[in-house]
Amino acid sequence: TQLLEQSPQFLSIQEGENLTVYCNSSSVFSSLQWYRQEPGEGPVLLVTVVTGGEVKKLKRLTFQFGDARKDSSLHITAAQPGDTGLYLCAGTRRGGQNFVFGPGTRLSVLP
Amino acid sequence: NAGVMQNPRHLVRRRGQEARLRCSPMKGHSHVYWYRQLPEEGLKFMVYLQKENIIDESGMPKERFSAEFPKEGPSILRIQQVVRGDSAAYFCASSSGWGRGNTEAFFGQGTRLTVV
Repeated sequence: TQLLEQSPQFLSIQEGENLTVYCNSSSVFSSLQWYRQEPGEGPVLLVTVVTGGEVKKLKRLTFQFGDARKDSSLHITAAQPGDTGLYLCAGTRRGGQNFVFGPGTRLSVLP
Repeated sequence: NAGVMQNPRHLVRRRGQEARLRCSPMKGHSHVYWYRQLPEEGLKFMVYLQKENIIDESGMPKERFSAEFPKEGPSILRIQQVVRGDSAAYFCASSSGWGRGNTEAFFGQGTRLTVV
């Protein structure tokens, strides 16, 4: 059983469309991170959210941390082919000392 | 993630040989994590180390795998008597610790191990 679930598992969309991917858990996290990984590369940190209800924007990407700090979402506006990759959420549970990763959402943006 | 250095980037070993994967954390980071990734899959936690201590090795296979993070030098993930099923990408991440209730991990480029 995954501590962090991500949905959808796969997503293929056309350039210019909007999309949202989700990261959910039954556990409370002190923080959540979102990473993007491109083929043959290591994951690159996009953002960290810490406060329940927090919203962070990074150009066309909007990240939200749930009020109860059990879930997070990533919304991409006007997706571009360069957004293609594996999006991973990771978190540290309250009192924990380790990072837990979700299985990832594999996004493909077609030109 | 450029600060975390892993080498080699690619490693080919014959069945039965030993594989040594190295990870130098970002400057100032004393916490290291190793993950394994199979093609088209997510990251699987293997081991979490601080300098000279293994904190959590719950994801590490009980046999043939070991990890260390000495006081001086890089962290080493060692796989003895490799088998074809060990072929994967192995990623290292580092962080500065847990003092403020949240922290961030930064990843290296990974070592792609191929067992032939």
